[in-house]
Amino acid sequence: DAGVTQSPTHLIKTRGQQVTLRCSPISGHKSVSWYQQVLGQGPQFIFQYYEKEERGRGNFPDRFSARQFPNYSSELNVNALLLGDSALYLCASSLVVADYGYTFGSGTRLTVV
Amino acid sequence: GEDVEQSLFLSVREGDSSVINCTYTDSSSTYLYWYKQEPGAGLQLLTYIFSNMDMKQDQRLTVLLNKKDKHLSLRIADTQTGDSAIYFCAEKSNQGGKLIFGQGTELSVKP
Repeated sequence: DAGVTQSPTHLIKTRGQQVTLRCSPISGHKSVSWYQQVLGQGPQFIFQYYEKEERGRGNFPDRFSARQFPNYSSELNVNALLLGDSALYLCASSLVVADYGYTFGSGTRLTVV
Repeated sequence: GEDVEQSLFLSVREGDSSVINCTYTDSSSTYLYWYKQEPGAGLQLLTYIFSNMDMKQDQRLTVLLNKKDKHLSLRIADTQTGDSAIYFCAEKSNQGGKLIFGQGTELSVKP
């Protein structure tokens, strides 16, 4: 069985641009969460989606948005990129919202120049 | 508030035991986790413990939970060079499914 898959694995963007990151959860998992991990720090919660609805939001500006599709895959969008948005973006899937088992993907490494 | 703290570095000799410590603040946390991250990789779930347990053992890993002191530890027996990585402690918030992570402890295993 495939695990959590994220694409792309790496990308480089210029300040002010917009970026879309993609995540496919484990088959059967209905909840997807997004985390930002800045170098040298632990992951910070951005969003959680379940059944296409937002179920939680972290302390991130409105430049960050996400959505979940009927097949439970998800996209994270970041507008007006800043240098400080450079980070590893991790997606985690779980069966339901308050599940105990969270499986993470390998992440997308975003570099903003 | 929600906060998880860990010491930043730990160095051990191959074959020794490693103990990584973590403190958390949310007394209503239901699950606590240990994740491992190797360079350039995502997070690998090592083990988790439910908040009504004191201890959990899984092969070389032993997790101890002291709810009174809000202290969690991970003991790795017979530490190997392949255990060198960053280890993250995390608690599951009582607000839905949000995980709150510590800064990570970098474990260095010397031969």
